[in-house]
Amino acid sequence: GENVEQHPSTLSVQEGDSAVIKCTYSDSASNYFPWYKQELGKRPQLIIDIRSNVGEKKDQRIAVTLNKTAKHFSLHITETQPEDSAVYFCAALSEGKLTFGTGTRLTIIP
Amino acid sequence: KAGVTQTPRYLIKTRGQQVTLSCSPISGHRSVSWYQQTPGQGLQFLFEYFSETQRNKGNFPGRFSGRQFSNSRSEMNVSTLELGDSALYLCASSHREAGELFFGEGSRLTVL
Repeated sequence: GENVEQHPSTLSVQEGDSAVIKCTYSDSASNYFPWYKQELGKRPQLIIDIRSNVGEKKDQRIAVTLNKTAKHFSLHITETQPEDSAVYFCAALSEGKLTFGTGTRLTIIP
Repeated sequence: KAGVTQTPRYLIKTRGQQVTLSCSPISGHRSVSWYQQTPGQGLQFLFEYFSETQRNKGNFPGRFSGRQFSNSRSEMNVSTLELGDSALYLCASSHREAGELFFGEGSRLTVL
């Protein structure tokens, strides 16, 4: 089955700086890669996703890049703000199953 | 449009008991999936139902089961509870495969 590894597990950045979270996946047939944000005590919510036929996707301060050859994808957050503090999960879809990474706790330091 | 609703929100059980959790998806969503969330383990896939059929299953023991009704509402059941089953159980609905998952607030199960 699919295996998704996510790094780092915790990340602290100064407000205004950029944050990068990286994930690798094992199944080359995976074709859909969403990122979810979970604020403390709340439900996970989709923030951005990318499909395997695209190398990069951007939505305001958030971008995701995908390297199919290396089987890794990354989340980039620029100009970080306090409301970006949360746990972020990457995921990969393979054979109808969505496998999540173990999460990255991002803390924005004012 | 109402979101995904899960009941109960909190429950406490003892080892050996069983529990049933309920999930009502967003209207029009026929896919319902279940995840177990524990600290350090992230979100682990339990199973997914589509039009009353289990379409996919994760690597959990047979004590974990589920079903979906004709109105797309879903239930999951855990029998012979173990301490390690303590977790937040999240349900998510989706309009289609490889589409956005809309999560409920979860059912927090504590096994004593």
